[in-house]
Amino acid sequence: EAEVAQSPRYKITEKSQAVAFWCDPISGHATLYWYRQILGQGPELLVQFQDESVVDDSQLPKDRFSAERLKGVDSTLKIQPAELGDSAMYLCASSHAGYEQYFGPGTRLTVT
Amino acid sequence: KQEVTQIPAALSVPEGENLVLNCSFTDSAIYNLQWFRQDPGKGLTSLLLIQSSQREQTSGRLNASLDKSSGRSTLYIAASQPGDSATYLCAVLTGGGNKLTFGTGTQLKVEL
Repeated sequence: EAEVAQSPRYKITEKSQAVAFWCDPISGHATLYWYRQILGQGPELLVQFQDESVVDDSQLPKDRFSAERLKGVDSTLKIQPAELGDSAMYLCASSHAGYEQYFGPGTRLTVT
Repeated sequence: KQEVTQIPAALSVPEGENLVLNCSFTDSAIYNLQWFRQDPGKGLTSLLLIQSSQREQTSGRLNASLDKSSGRSTLYIAASQPGDSATYLCAVLTGGGNKLTFGTGTQLKVEL
């Protein structure tokens, strides 16, 4: 069964360092999402791509976060510089025609 | 702005008991509703998806219902097992950009 791949699974970084996460969606899924989930809360959408275009990045802290999906397939989410409050689970999801979303295993980020 | 609420926040039951998890949402103009399961430190696994035109969906021991007009959904788990212990998240899909809004989850513990 096809799955959404994410790497790394865990990342520990120091405050003010740069960090990047990678996501490979299910083949053929045009829509890709990045979510942030703080412990004890539900995931919140950071950015949504349709192919290589950003559809919604209204909740993305653009002063330090950036996301790209250059060829409309895999995607990278970057944080620079990382802050203590960025510690969270970063989840990637993909969907076909924008309906049921399939989630990857997530990247657990700890900022020290 | 769509808001999703889940009650209870935590639930502990003995093995074999039937149980109901509740989800409510403020904007009834949804495309669909998904129930997810999340194990500690892991990603999300989709359990059931109910389209806005449907009233319920079933998968094995799970049954989800949707009353769109009243903004409510329930997830019924029959004959609970210790392996059902996890956090259960409800999410609704709304808006032209197909935005998924999550509740904060119900943490379920099934005890031997």
